[in-house]
Amino acid sequence: SQTIHQWPATLVQPVGSPLSLECTVEGTSNPNLYWYRQAAGRGLQLLFYSVGIGQISSEVPQNLSASRPQDRQFILSSKKLLLSDSGFYLCAWSGQGAVGTQYFGPGTRLLVL
Amino acid sequence: SQQGEEDPQALSIQEGENATMNCSYKTSINNLQWYRQNSGRGLVHLILIRSNEREKHSGRLRVTLDTSKKSSSLLITASRAADTASYFCATDAGASGSARQLTFGSGTQLTVLP
Repeated sequence: SQTIHQWPATLVQPVGSPLSLECTVEGTSNPNLYWYRQAAGRGLQLLFYSVGIGQISSEVPQNLSASRPQDRQFILSSKKLLLSDSGFYLCAWSGQGAVGTQYFGPGTRLLVL
Repeated sequence: SQQGEEDPQALSIQEGENATMNCSYKTSINNLQWYRQNSGRGLVHLILIRSNEREKHSGRLRVTLDTSKKSSSLLITASRAADTASYFCATDAGASGSARQLTFGSGTQLTVLP
């Protein structure tokens, strides 16, 4: 069966510090991968998605970036965090078929102070 | 911009009652999906309804889709305290062959009181 992992679960970082959040998927090949951010009590905002290794599409211009160094690994990064980067970050995967059901990881709660 | 908007934003019911949540969207879709999120956790896929379907059931869940009104409803029958969560609709409006992107609404917070 497929599983998706995210770490860390919780992160507290000072403003201006770098960020690296990791997401890995097991049990499937060539998935579509997604990074979302969720503000408290709100819906999901799509940040990045990837259809393959090294292929990243950005939905929202910001100081975040994403990379996909391996088929089942998706990394969200920042060189300098802003207060507004605080939130709940969710990684998800979907298959390459016609139906776009997505499967989510447990999320990373980021607090920038 | 949000494609799907849920209504109501918050709903509080007694255990055993039915809960109905609605979702409206703006553009043509391939399918509409409902997800559940427990507090502080990831989203869990509940049910998917295709654009050519009008109603779908899964256990205590019933989803309807009216493409002429661009709306969907999620009915949870005989609710339980464990159903307490946020519920999101998400629309798949991607072109054939493209990466399947979903656009999520802002969610309905359901509280089921024991």
